[in-house]
Amino acid sequence: SAVISQKPSRDICQRGTSLTIQCQVDSQVTMMFWYRQQPGQSLTLIATANQGSEATYESGFVIDKFPISRPNLTFSTLTVSNMSPEDSSIYLCSVPGRVRDNEQFFGPGTRLTVL
Amino acid sequence: SQQGEEDPQALSIQEGENATMNCSYKTSINNLQWYRQNSGRGLVHLILIRSNEREKHSGRLRVTLDTSKKSSSLLITASRAADTASYFCATGRMDSSYKLIFGSGTRLLVRP
Repeated sequence: SAVISQKPSRDICQRGTSLTIQCQVDSQVTMMFWYRQQPGQSLTLIATANQGSEATYESGFVIDKFPISRPNLTFSTLTVSNMSPEDSSIYLCSVPGRVRDNEQFFGPGTRLTVL
Repeated sequence: SQQGEEDPQALSIQEGENATMNCSYKTSINNLQWYRQNSGRGLVHLILIRSNEREKHSGRLRVTLDTSKKSSSLLITASRAADTASYFCATGRMDSSYKLIFGSGTRLLVRP
């Protein structure tokens, strides 16, 4: 299994500002995923981050709002831009486990509150 | 978009009792997985059942899958206070994208 860390673990931000969330994995992985979990809700996939190529965004999520970097096989960042209170959520990164199945290992999450 | 619906949304039981959670999904799947989330933290993978399997056990967990009804259930036997968490089902797609679609979740409270 992979060990994943995220920074920051939580933050309180002002409307209109941006926050960059970091995700670090203890092994090299081709794909990393970013999810959003709004208060009391389930997880929604934001995008898939592949090393060496542009991230692939899911419907409803755009690069201008959630730019993603993937500089190497163990690290990725997600930026939440021009934040509004509606962006208050837990943001989680994950990586795939075994090749045969698509179980995923998750980071501890970043709890974001936008005032 | 969310594929799965889970019921109940919330479940409160006494320690020692069994807890059953159900999950329904809409499209064809490669596998179905269950995850646990404690207090808004990261998710922990519990168990995976493939589309050609009907039942799987892991410790106190028992998962069933009925692909004809597009439904699954998670049974936790002899529950403990430490089982208090939110439980999510997630379906794996038939392609190689590794994407998961999560259900709405069940909040389980196990009273000591």
